[in-house]
Amino acid sequence: EVQLVESGGGLIQPGRSLRLSCVVSGFMFENYDMHWVRQAPGKGLEWVSGITRSGLSIGYADSVKGRFTISRDNAKKSLYLQMNSVRAEDTALYYCAKDFYGSGEIDVWGKGTTVTVSS
Amino acid sequence: VLTQSPDTLPLSPGETATLSCRASQSVTSTSIAWYHHKPGQPPRLLIYATFARASDIPDRFRGDGSGTDFTLTISRLEPEDFGVYYCQYCDTSPYIFGQGTRLEI
Repeated sequence: EVQLVESGGGLIQPGRSLRLSCVVSGFMFENYDMHWVRQAPGKGLEWVSGITRSGLSIGYADSVKGRFTISRDNAKKSLYLQMNSVRAEDTALYYCAKDFYGSGEIDVWGKGTTVTVSS
Repeated sequence: VLTQSPDTLPLSPGETATLSCRASQSVTSTSIAWYHHKPGQPPRLLIYATFARASDIPDRFRGDGSGTDFTLTISRLEPEDFGVYYCQYCDTSPYIFGQGTRLEI
């Protein structure tokens, strides 16, 4: 069974840093691009960042560029999101997501980890 | 930017839903995906490459479009079809989502 399990969310003060992790199982992690997608309370889905299977190509939404860093460890079957200088508007449910076939479509999602930015 | 319409679509089981997704500039004809999102669950991929149905998606779901205008048509609505539908641009990063259309009873 394909599984993506996120962790690392919690309550954090504005301006601080947080690292989200996602451990996967049930598929060849090293063969797939991966993404982080978030949903703020009462809002729609927002693509946050994506990384190719090799880790050599990375993209970010303008809203997080320069503050967030995506990375992966294929040996550990893990995806990460380093969140620096967090803001109240970063409060959201963060999903780890598997790319379908390399064009950005997402066919498998984790259940998400909640990040709350508040003083 | 992807703009979905309408924001809310009230329909009854058995009816047909037509959801629109308009891009702010012309995109590759196979670059739109559609998802269904219900509360408490992760989104589910319905349509990829504008026209292709994802695994286990019934043929009641049909994706179409080109240029800047794309549609998702859901025939013979069933109770489990209600929720929020998102389109997504899938060709090059950033893989943006539309704001969503809420399909409600």
